[in-house]
Amino acid sequence: AQRVTQPEKLLSVFKGAPVELKCNYSYSGSPELFWYVQYSRQRLQLLLRHISRESIKGFTADLNKGETSFHLKKPFAQEEDSAMYYCALRGMIKAAGNKLTFGGGTRVLVKP
Amino acid sequence: DAGVIQSPRHEVTEMGQEVTLRCKPISGHNSLFWYRQTMMRGLELLIYFNNNVPIDDSGMPEDRFSAKMPNASFSTLKIQPSEPRDSAVYFCASSTLREDQPQHFGDGTRLSIL
Repeated sequence: AQRVTQPEKLLSVFKGAPVELKCNYSYSGSPELFWYVQYSRQRLQLLLRHISRESIKGFTADLNKGETSFHLKKPFAQEEDSAMYYCALRGMIKAAGNKLTFGGGTRVLVKP
Repeated sequence: DAGVIQSPRHEVTEMGQEVTLRCKPISGHNSLFWYRQTMMRGLELLIYFNNNVPIDDSGMPEDRFSAKMPNASFSTLKIQPSEPRDSAVYFCASSTLREDQPQHFGDGTRLSIL
């Protein structure tokens, strides 16, 4: 079974402070991990994926297979980063196609 | 590309009524997903289709929920009869079958059952 855990439901930080959203997963194989973001009352959008190894909007995330984690980080949070963030996992079983398992989400509030 | 299109955007109805949510996936996408989002439970996968065929409906809460995909460009999620605890935002998403492609989400339908 595959599972994604986001232990923090709410993260509140001040503008300019670093922010780290935790994501842990359980999966027996080699999964693919994603971060999706949902701004207020908008659709979910893909933020980044581990295979891309890129920084989007100043965010980075590194897949740590030893710790089964995929934490999302940004060194200097901005007010426009306030949103709901979801970590998601896709297993590598072909029959499952593009099915994703989402974590419970973390709401980030960046205060001025 | 208009993206994934869901209708209606908002629905308010009384308990016991039938509710039908609609989704038009992105043209060329072979997979379609229905999710429910609530404060308590976050984002839950209800059902998904590959090439119009339901693959996994284990997330459908109970028999009051049903989903169909009669063709590649249209899907419905139906609740009959509806109950107040069904109030949530329902998202539809689509993707290709390629493993390197992400899911694209619609704007969601905000459903309120009174």
